[in-house]
Amino acid sequence: TQLLEQSPQFLSIQEGENLTVYCNSSSVFSSLQWYRQEPGEGPVLLVTVVTGGEVKKLKRLTFQFGDARKDSSLHITAAQTGDTGLYLCAGLYSGAGSYQLTFGKGTKLSVIP
Amino acid sequence: NAGVTQTPKFQVLKTGQSMTLQCAQDMNHEYMSWYRQDPGMGLRLIHYSVGAGITDQGEVPNGYNVSRSTTEDFPLRLLSAAPSQTSVYFCASSYGPVTSGFIYEQYFGPGTRLTVT
Repeated sequence: TQLLEQSPQFLSIQEGENLTVYCNSSSVFSSLQWYRQEPGEGPVLLVTVVTGGEVKKLKRLTFQFGDARKDSSLHITAAQTGDTGLYLCAGLYSGAGSYQLTFGKGTKLSVIP
Repeated sequence: NAGVTQTPKFQVLKTGQSMTLQCAQDMNHEYMSWYRQDPGMGLRLIHYSVGAGITDQGEVPNGYNVSRSTTEDFPLRLLSAAPSQTSVYFCASSYGPVTSGFIYEQYFGPGTRLTVT
């Protein structure tokens, strides 16, 4: 099983602040996804990135895929209370003739009004 | 469309009891999977299916059985519940399997919170 590290594990910020969360691995991803999970619900896909160096924007959320495809970041501008939740990255790895999807442990974000 | 539905929402079992967690999807997805989510452990794959009649083991399959008789349904059976199986269980479906090398969007159900005493 490939290891996919997310940091920070917990983040508590005031409404209006900016933040960045990270997803790192020692292995190369074929592609990567970010999901958001609200309490009592299942994860919901935010974005998929497939090309090294790719940047995608979703309103106030900016996703970046590292040039070497070993890391990714999620930046939120002017956080709102509705951004509160668990942010999960999931990386697709190839090796030994098969593909494997691995989830990180998540970053739990609390946005305080 | 209801998407992915799971029942029950909550369940308490005694050690040694068996039960089936139900999962259904109405999106005609071929690929379905079961995950467990534990604090500090992330989502771990239990079993998956690439189509009716075809299932395979994931990362943590011990103590669980699955079958896939229809495209829509993918139940997870706990054979003899143990406290280590206390967790939140998520069923997910997607248009295609990750084994294809393409990272499809997975649609998750709302989860079943299971406690084994």
